[in-house]
Amino acid sequence: KNEVEQSPQNLTAQEGEFITINCSYSVGISALHWLQQHPGGGIVSLFMLSSGKKKHGRLIATINIQEKHSSLHITASHPRDSAVYICAVRRLNTGNQFYFGTGTSLTVIP
Amino acid sequence: GAGVSQTPSNKVTEKGKYVELRCDPISGHTALYWYRQSLGQGPEFLIYFQGTGAADDSGLPNDRFFAVRPEGSVSTLKIQRTERGDSAVYLCASSRSRGEGLFFGSGTQLSVL
Repeated sequence: KNEVEQSPQNLTAQEGEFITINCSYSVGISALHWLQQHPGGGIVSLFMLSSGKKKHGRLIATINIQEKHSSLHITASHPRDSAVYICAVRRLNTGNQFYFGTGTSLTVIP
Repeated sequence: GAGVSQTPSNKVTEKGKYVELRCDPISGHTALYWYRQSLGQGPEFLIYFQGTGAADDSGLPNDRFFAVRPEGSVSTLKIQRTERGDSAVYLCASSRSRGEGLFFGSGTQLSVL
């Protein structure tokens, strides 16, 4: 079983919709990252969280350490938001190793 | 450089050949990671360097894979006797130190024919 599970695996939305992507993990962590990967492109780190909530533009990320769950929200979605969104956790007591979810492929239709 | 640089961006090789993939991290970043990503999957951890030493190489799939970072900056991932199953995108990431944000390169697409 993967230590990091994301849902949904695929998501199609109309432009302007509010989007939520979920990440659940089963191990103790010291930090969680949300990453964005465009087709054929590299990976960009959107957020690093260890508690609470962070906001950057139309993106909001939250984490609940007790429930081992994080969400990435996109408000007023736009076609340029179409990408794969990946959740990655840095496990406690493993040095600095990161474990990744399989990603959520988001397509925003104009 | 401004970002993490990986070369080559694409590498096509024949089964059984030796390949080297290079990663040039952001200047001053002490932590360097190698990941492998197959189509439709999330990145799979291979090895992590802190400075010149491999702090964790538990993700290397077998002894055909080896990585070095002799001066604590540029790292080279070396794959011997390549197999078709090695075909993937090999990603490099760096961070300033433990606990800092990750910065990824664009990856090297390795195709073993």
